[in-house]
Amino acid sequence: DVKVTQSSRYLVKRTGEKVFLECVQDMDHENMFWYRQDPGLGLRLIYFSYDVKMKEKGDIPEGYSVSREKKERFSLILESASTNQTSMYLCASSLTGRTEAFFGQGTRLTVV
Amino acid sequence: QKEVEQNSGPLSVPEGAIASLNCTYSDRGSQSFFWYRQYSGKSPELIMSIYSNGDKEDGRFTAQLNKASQYVSLLIRDSQPSDSATYLCAVRGSGYSTLTFGKGTMLLVSP
Repeated sequence: DVKVTQSSRYLVKRTGEKVFLECVQDMDHENMFWYRQDPGLGLRLIYFSYDVKMKEKGDIPEGYSVSREKKERFSLILESASTNQTSMYLCASSLTGRTEAFFGQGTRLTVV
Repeated sequence: QKEVEQNSGPLSVPEGAIASLNCTYSDRGSQSFFWYRQYSGKSPELIMSIYSNGDKEDGRFTAQLNKASQYVSLLIRDSQPSDSATYLCAVRGSGYSTLTFGKGTMLLVSP
C-alpha cells in the first residue's frame, strides 16, 4: 500500500511564527503536492514538485514556500503564519502519467 | 483556468437506493478522471478511476465518462449509511500531472 505520512495531525501556531509541515511518501513517487482545503472552497493547490529540488507554483502560492531535498520528502513552509492560513493542509503524491494521487492524513493548522 | 463543477448537495437518498453524483469539467483535453470519497475530518481516498468513454464498474460503484459532453458521473448502488461522505471529482488534464478537484458533493444515506 502507498503510504503518505504527514508529520502532525493537529498544529496550533502563533501569528508571525515560521511553520514547517512535513510530508513523506514511501512509494518512490516522482510527484508530490501540497493542497489546502477550506469549507466552500474545496481543495486548492499550493505548490507541487516533479522531482528533487524542483518546485512549481500552484493556484495559491502566496505566503508559502516549499522544499524538496530528497525524493520521498516534501516540506511546506509558512514563512510568517497569519490567521488566514488556518486550514486543513493535505499532502499527496503520484507517479508521472495518468495515475491517481494518494493523500496523507492531513494537518489541521490553527494560527492564533 | 481549468474548472471542475459539482453540485454541493446534500444529496439525500434512503438506504438501498441508487445515489447518482455528477461532475462536469472545462478542459476538453483532459485524460484521466477520478472519484474520491472524503469522510468528515479525514483525507480523500480514491474509490474509482476512469480513462475512456463508457462505464467502469467496481462492486457497488460505477463510474461513467462522456468526453464529448465533458461529463463524469458516479453511481452508488444499494447505498449504505456508511456511504455518507463528501465525494470529490478530480480531473487530470493532458500533459499535466496535477489534479483539479471539484468542491465535492455531500451524500447523506438515511437508514
